[in-house]
Amino acid sequence: DSGVTQTPKHLITATGQRVTLRCSPRSGDLSVYWYQQSLDQGLQFLIQYYNGEERAKGNILERFSAQQFPDLHSELNLSSLELGDSALYFCASSLRDGVGYTFGSGTRLTVV
Amino acid sequence: AQTVTQSQPEMSVQEAETVTLSCTYDTSESDYYLFWYKQPPSRQMILVIRQEAYKQQNATENRFSVNFQKAAKSFSLKISDSQLGDAAMYFCASTLGNQFYFGTGTSLTVIP
Repeated sequence: DSGVTQTPKHLITATGQRVTLRCSPRSGDLSVYWYQQSLDQGLQFLIQYYNGEERAKGNILERFSAQQFPDLHSELNLSSLELGDSALYFCASSLRDGVGYTFGSGTRLTVV
Repeated sequence: AQTVTQSQPEMSVQEAETVTLSCTYDTSESDYYLFWYKQPPSRQMILVIRQEAYKQQNATENRFSVNFQKAAKSFSLKISDSQLGDAAMYFCASTLGNQFYFGTGTSLTVIP
């Protein structure tokens, strides 16, 4: 157990639908990062939050949005889902930049 | 542009032998962090080793060590006494600016 909790572990949904992925960071970590990993590909950085504020944005589609709540958990919302959105979505947390990036076990999203 | 490049899509090593995975990066910053992550078939992202750019001494974690050449912007991972459990995808990563960049990964096969 890495200390970063992601739910659900698996999600199957239809095209056009909307889903919410949840991440609870490791205790004490203020930063949350979201990544997308498509089949047999590397990790694409989506977005980072630090203590409730958006800190950095990567290749995140307009159909996707995220937020970090006062208790530091984060949610990634994916809407108008397309087949190409099928991927493994990771959350990672850290106390601050550069140290202790810890990954959750990921949410596997399948869009059918 | 800030990038991380892994030029070896696949590598193999005999059990108990040593293998080196290559990684180069491009940045104009002077202070940053470098990481190697392991992703076994379970798809969990596991931190293998971490290097702070301002430290000249190469990081070592048991059988894993790095060769950090800051001037050459090179950060290779050496795995000594390879074990079957080392078989995985290995990602090089770096904090560059506010973002965390990953290479495309090297798939390591360990031959019994």
